[in-house]
Amino acid sequence: EMQLVQSGGNLVQPGGSLRLSCAASGFTFSRYSMNWVRQAPGKGLEYISYIDSSSSTKNYADSVKGRITVSRDNAKNSLYLQMNSLSVEDTAMYYCARGRSSDYGDYYLDYWGPGTRVIVSS
Amino acid sequence: DIQMTQSPPSLSASVGDRVTITCRASQSISAYLNWYQQKPGKVPKVLISAASTLQSGVPSRFSGSGSGTDFSLTIFSLQPEDFATYYCQQSYTMPYTFGQGTRLEMK
Repeated sequence: EMQLVQSGGNLVQPGGSLRLSCAASGFTFSRYSMNWVRQAPGKGLEYISYIDSSSSTKNYADSVKGRITVSRDNAKNSLYLQMNSLSVEDTAMYYCARGRSSDYGDYYLDYWGPGTRVIVSS
Repeated sequence: DIQMTQSPPSLSASVGDRVTITCRASQSISAYLNWYQQKPGKVPKVLISAASTLQSGVPSRFSGSGSGTDFSLTIFSLQPEDFATYYCQQSYTMPYTFGQGTRLEMK
């Protein structure tokens, strides 16, 4: 059974840092690109980061660029999101999601972790 | 970044109704458009990829169409379990931005 187990969310003060983790099982993690999506309380989905299967390509939304770093360890079947200089606007549920490409070439998020909550507050 | 705009932001409908949600991209995205459904307290679930390809297990009452900048998601004969929030997402270029969501409520 496929699983994405997330951890690392916490209450942190403005300006602080957090490292989120997403541990995968039930599929060959090293063959898939991964993504991070966040959702502020009562708000919509915001796509924030992408990493390909070999870590050679990474991408970030403008809202987090320069403050967030995505990484992965295929030997440990794990995805990470290092978040620095956090502000109250970063308060959200953070989801990791597996990316899937079809023969057509389109790309979608086919399996999502349960989320980990980040609260930035003094 | 490509901006995705959904309309309406919210929609009231009854069981058995046909409803349509639209999504407009700020530039052409060919057919690289996905639709997700999210129920309260749950993670999003992909319904449709490539604008019109129904994902496995998704009921056939869901249908997607469009290309270029204008897309739509139609639900034929709403069922009680369909009341949720729906998001479009472009996968034409990174970052793969989402629309702001359409909340489908029971009338």
